[in-house]
Amino acid sequence: DSGVTQTPKHLITATGQRVTLRCSPRSGDLSVYWYQQSLDQGLQFLIQYYNGEERAKGNILERFSAQQFPDLHSELNLSSLELGDSALYFCASSSRTGTDTQYFGPGTRLTVL
Amino acid sequence: SQKIEQNSEALNIQEGKTATLTCNYTNYSPAYLQWYRQDPGRGPVFLLLIRENEKEKRKERLKVTFDTTLKQSLFHITASQPADSATYLCALVRRDDKIIFGKGTRLHILP
Repeated sequence: DSGVTQTPKHLITATGQRVTLRCSPRSGDLSVYWYQQSLDQGLQFLIQYYNGEERAKGNILERFSAQQFPDLHSELNLSSLELGDSALYFCASSSRTGTDTQYFGPGTRLTVL
Repeated sequence: SQKIEQNSEALNIQEGKTATLTCNYTNYSPAYLQWYRQDPGRGPVFLLLIRENEKEKRKERLKVTFDTTLKQSLFHITASQPADSATYLCALVRRDDKIIFGKGTRLHILP
């Protein structure tokens, strides 16, 4: 158990809908990262937050947004969902940023029908 | 654009032998490289990190090398065991903190 929690574990929704994925980092960790993993694309870095501020941005679509709250938990919002958004979404946390080890959560499996 | 390449083919190694996995990157010199293990349906687990000014890092049966001239990192598991069977991911971390993962190499240790 990495200490990172993600909810929900599974999510099934329809195209055009909007969903919110939630992540609680390990106690004391200030950085949160979001990743998308699909079979053909591998693990894709989406975005990183550090202590409430956006730190680095990867291949995140404009339909997706994220934030980190004062209690350090984070949410990833996915809107206007398409079939191709079906994937595993992982959250990871680290104590700071840069060279710190990232601890991954168990993931949320999103299925868009 | 930045690319990381790992062997897309699965690697089959006899138990007790050394498994060597390759990670090649293009275009951008990373601040450091990380290696992760991922089991099916689970999140990656961090194994080792090596910085651009380091040649080699070890942890128990694991060894990572980093050659910035060749733009390559090698990941070795010595005295391999069936429990080492998993997918191994290489991740390049840039100086602007952006992270790029390879697609991973599936390793099978045969008893």
